[in-house]
Amino acid sequence: NAGVTQTPKFQVLKTGQSMTLQCAQDMNHNSMYWYRQDPGMGLRLIYYSASEGTTDKGEVPNGYNVSRLNKREFSLRLESAAPSQTSVYFCASSEAWGARRNQPQHFGDGTRLSIL
Amino acid sequence: AQSVTQLDSHVSVSEGTPVLLRCNYSSSYSPSLFWYVQHPNKGLQLLLKYTSAATLVKGINGFEAEFKKSETSFHLTKPSAHMSDAAEYFCVVSQTGANNLFFGTGTRLTVIP
Repeated sequence: NAGVTQTPKFQVLKTGQSMTLQCAQDMNHNSMYWYRQDPGMGLRLIYYSASEGTTDKGEVPNGYNVSRLNKREFSLRLESAAPSQTSVYFCASSEAWGARRNQPQHFGDGTRLSIL
Repeated sequence: AQSVTQLDSHVSVSEGTPVLLRCNYSSSYSPSLFWYVQHPNKGLQLLLKYTSAATLVKGINGFEAEFKKSETSFHLTKPSAHMSDAAEYFCVVSQTGANNLFFGTGTRLTVIP
């Protein structure tokens, strides 16, 4: 089982370039999430999609946009990349939003993004 | 509001000795609590989760965690460390009524041969 698949695994961008990070899950999960991980700060939520057709801002949404393309796919777009967006980006999915507690999230292996 | 404090940024143990990774949480309501592990260049893997059914939670790879409401703690333990346990560990609290997760800043576990 693939679980959560992220592409690409690595990317280097120049300041001002745009890019879309792709995420797909094969677990039939309703909810999907994008996080960024920076040294000493744990993971911070950028955007989430509680269910197909909905998206909402998380803790650090500035400079990003998302699209829930269908139930399987949730993409993250950087319209004009900045050095402060250099980070490791993780996509995650879970069964449900709010309906039941203790629903763990399943993570992809991450996209390592460097912006020069 | 929910938050998590991992009390040690780095823990070093010898192979075969016990592991203790400390976590304190803050939550307005009864929390959902998780421990995740992250190996180098990998995503996060769920170790265990707290449900209200039992305060002592058993996870994968011999790890356990005990929920102590009076101390607002959810420490992770393992009786005997293995080299493969070397990784970063995250304590996580879930917001009640949603599935939004709040992560601690992580504890890096080093296992010395």
